[in-house]
Amino acid sequence: GAGVSQSPSNKVTEKGKDVELRCDPISGHTALYWYRQRLGQGLEFLIYFQGNSAPDKSGLPSDRFSAERTGESVSTLTIQRTQQEDSAVYLCASSGAARDRGGTEAFFGQGTRLTVV
Amino acid sequence: QKEVEQDPGPLSVPEGAIVSLNCTYSNSAFQYFMWYRQYSRKGPELLMYTYSSGNKEDGRFTAQVDKSSKYISLFIRDSQPSDSATYLCAMSARISNYQLIWGAGTKLIIKP
Repeated sequence: GAGVSQSPSNKVTEKGKDVELRCDPISGHTALYWYRQRLGQGLEFLIYFQGNSAPDKSGLPSDRFSAERTGESVSTLTIQRTQQEDSAVYLCASSGAARDRGGTEAFFGQGTRLTVV
Repeated sequence: QKEVEQDPGPLSVPEGAIVSLNCTYSNSAFQYFMWYRQYSRKGPELLMYTYSSGNKEDGRFTAQVDKSSKYISLFIRDSQPSDSATYLCAMSARISNYQLIWGAGTKLIIKP
């Protein structure tokens, strides 16, 4: 595909259930980000993958959150034992090789709107 | 203190006004400076990109970087209602593996 693809677009889950969110980055992009955005709020950094470097997980809010990425392809964000405060839009972004303008242009997916009831 | 500070607004101006949006930062290693625009219920999209200090103009938009003051600006001339959106600044540095660091975003409202 031409852009970053996220699935599902919307997810409603019961409190305490686990959810898995998927991100397909643009082919060839080495960098991948996950962000959380609550209504009317800014981007909350969660995790950053860059090539073969160790991911920066410093933004994950608790040990209920984890993310994986296989090489430079698909990434999944998993939230275990979901809580109501996890309700938000989860955005994935990818960017090109670091040599390309410092990997500056991040392309965003349409997001997954997660609602925990 | 956050690495990048940005007033969340909202900033409301009449149509046709010149808009000035700003960010300050603390990390002198930042080299790449960007402005993204985010419409409601959409992901952010890159609007302007600048490397190091200086000005860059693209149509009605001008980006300025003053590294000595650790201050960046985005100016919008002849503002239109369609410019109403949230504007986020972002910056990165080679030393931190080009990881983007974001401001909180400023909500801009252009009144017809």
